[in-house]
Amino acid sequence: DTGVSQDPRHKITKRGQNVTFRCDPISEHNRLYWYRQTLGQGPEFLTYFQNEAQLEKSRLLSDRFSAERPKGSFSTLEIQRTEQGDSAMYLCASSPGAVRIYEQYFGPGTRLTVT
Amino acid sequence: DAKTTQPTSMDCAEGRAANLPCNHSTISGNEYVYWYRQIHSQGPQYIIHGLKNNETNEMASLIITEDRKSSTLILPHATLRDTAVYYCIVRTGGYQKVTFGTGTKLQVIP
Repeated sequence: DTGVSQDPRHKITKRGQNVTFRCDPISEHNRLYWYRQTLGQGPEFLTYFQNEAQLEKSRLLSDRFSAERPKGSFSTLEIQRTEQGDSAMYLCASSPGAVRIYEQYFGPGTRLTVT
Repeated sequence: DAKTTQPTSMDCAEGRAANLPCNHSTISGNEYVYWYRQIHSQGPQYIIHGLKNNETNEMASLIITEDRKSSTLILPHATLRDTAVYYCIVRTGGYQKVTFGTGTKLQVIP
């Protein structure tokens, strides 16, 4: 199965540390999305890439957050100077191009705990 | 994107049909109804979508009222593996982000 994969699945870090997550989308999908989900809530959109271009960013994405997709394939999400409020599940999704662009396929997520 | 209203939780007996309602009274003409579900500790999974006609796929059926102000997701023979949070989302097509609400927590009971 070549679904969306994310690494790591779990990350525990101390407040103030930097963390980086990786997302590998489905290979033929040129659109990639990052979401954040806290307990009891639905996922919240963070940012979106079409190929290597970052086309939309949520106001939730503060200056401490940066996302990249350098070659239009995998993507990374970095959080600098983590805070306890950053504790959440970080989800990545991808969708195909011109056909069926409305279907987003989600990865299993990276659960971040900031102590 | 139009707002949706879903019940917070529902129970369904295993083997019976699960009917999950969704109200979207402010939907506009170019907005689709999408359903996703999220099984515990997994990422959301796309189920089905429709504009105004009823739709069916291998996972579920989607019934949209004629005025498009509400819809129902039907899982014809619920199994324990269908226990999940089900999200009804209304949005235009294309690349846009998906705006999730809090969804309906469906518990399938043996």
